[in-house]
Amino acid sequence: DAGVIQSPRHEVTEMGQEVTLRCKPISGHNSLFWYRQTMMRGLELLIYFNNNVPIDDSGMPEDRFSAKMPNASFSTLKIQPSEPRDSAVYFCASSPRQGANIQYFGAGTRLSVL
Amino acid sequence: SQQGEEDPQALSIQEGENATMNCSYKTSINNLQWYRQNSGRGLVHLILIRSNEREKHSGRLRVTLDTSKKSSSLLITASRAADTASYFCVRSGGSNYKLTFGKGTLLTVNP
Repeated sequence: DAGVIQSPRHEVTEMGQEVTLRCKPISGHNSLFWYRQTMMRGLELLIYFNNNVPIDDSGMPEDRFSAKMPNASFSTLKIQPSEPRDSAVYFCASSPRQGANIQYFGAGTRLSVL
Repeated sequence: SQQGEEDPQALSIQEGENATMNCSYKTSINNLQWYRQNSGRGLVHLILIRSNEREKHSGRLRVTLDTSKKSSSLLITASRAADTASYFCVRSGGSNYKLTFGKGTLLTVNP
């Protein structure tokens, strides 16, 4: 099993640009999570999907952030327009079923907004 | 908020020594997990202990849970340089999907 796959691993962009982060969950997992990690705030849940449906997006910081899961094997997190304070490591994680609790993380995307 | 404190924030030991990390939390939990994060990598699940369990072992890992004190500890025995990483205490309670992560303990094992 390849695990959770995220791309790109690193992204450097300029303020105001659109950024799209991608995630492929583990096959057969039906829960998907997007997190943001910073030194100041630690690991924060941004959005949770179950069976491709967004269940909890209360962690999405503002309207500049959006996430989609068009099918069971792909999800995107988009920031438009990006700002320097969005610089962080963004993780995608998947879980085999709702309530299983154990989450499997991708390697993350390190985003730098200049 | 279920966020608690991990103690210590950083720990440096010699290879072969044991490492103990502690975690406290504020609200009731369904279970508690420990995850490891190597530098520049994602988090990896290590072990889960349910609220009705007091101790659990997995290889060189030993986790304890004291729900009366709202605390847990992770013991790594016979540490190796490869154990160098950040270790996170992760609480689950209330919702059946939301995990609450602490800030982590940075463990450095010197060869």
